Amino acid sequence: NAGVTQTPKFQVLKTGQSMTLQCAQDMNHNSMYWYRQDPGMGLRLIYYSASEGTTDKGEVPNGYNVSRLNKREFSLRLESAAPSQTSVYFCASSEESGWTYEQYFGPGTRLTVT
Amino acid sequence: QKEVEQDPGPLSVPEGAIVSLNCTYSNSAFQYFMWYRQYSRKGPELLMYTYSSGNKEDGRFTAQVDKSSKYISLFIRDSQPSDSATYLCAMSGDRGSTLGRLYFGRGTQLTVWP
Repeated sequence: NAGVTQTPKFQVLKTGQSMTLQCAQDMNHNSMYWYRQDPGMGLRLIYYSASEGTTDKGEVPNGYNVSRLNKREFSLRLESAAPSQTSVYFCASSEESGWTYEQYFGPGTRLTVT
Repeated sequence: QKEVEQDPGPLSVPEGAIVSLNCTYSNSAFQYFMWYRQYSRKGPELLMYTYSSGNKEDGRFTAQVDKSSKYISLFIRDSQPSDSATYLCAMSGDRGSTLGRLYFGRGTQLTVWP
């Protein structure tokens, strides 16, 4: 099992460009999450999907959109990137729908917006 | 006020020392208390979890929860250089509660030097 995979691993964008971060899990988990991690700020939840077909805003959703493409895949889109979105982005998944105490994380995408 | 407060450190100790990591929280509805470990440039992974109050031991690691004080701790005995990582506390409510997702602390960066 690969667990949670994320692509790309690194990305540099110019201000105003758009991109989609991809995430897939092969554990048949119901819930999936997108976090950003900034120095001194810890992990902050951007969006989550408690089950296939549902998405909800987290703590810092502005400037992002998500799509739960199917049970395995959950993508994060930046429509018009800003320097404030420079961060490390982690995707995670958990087994139960809408509740968790254990999440499995991917390796992260390091995004720089210039 | 954030739901979960954690001193980011950094904390630097010699090999063999006992390490104490702590978090405080404000919401009494939290029931599950977790510690995640994150190595440099990797995603977090679950280290230990505890339900409600009490202690839990796993090898050199002990997790403690004091719900009356809204305070949780992780102790590492006989610390090793391989324990060098960032430790994040996290909390969740019960199944079906509005706190069904994870709420993370900022993480404490630990270095154990030989």
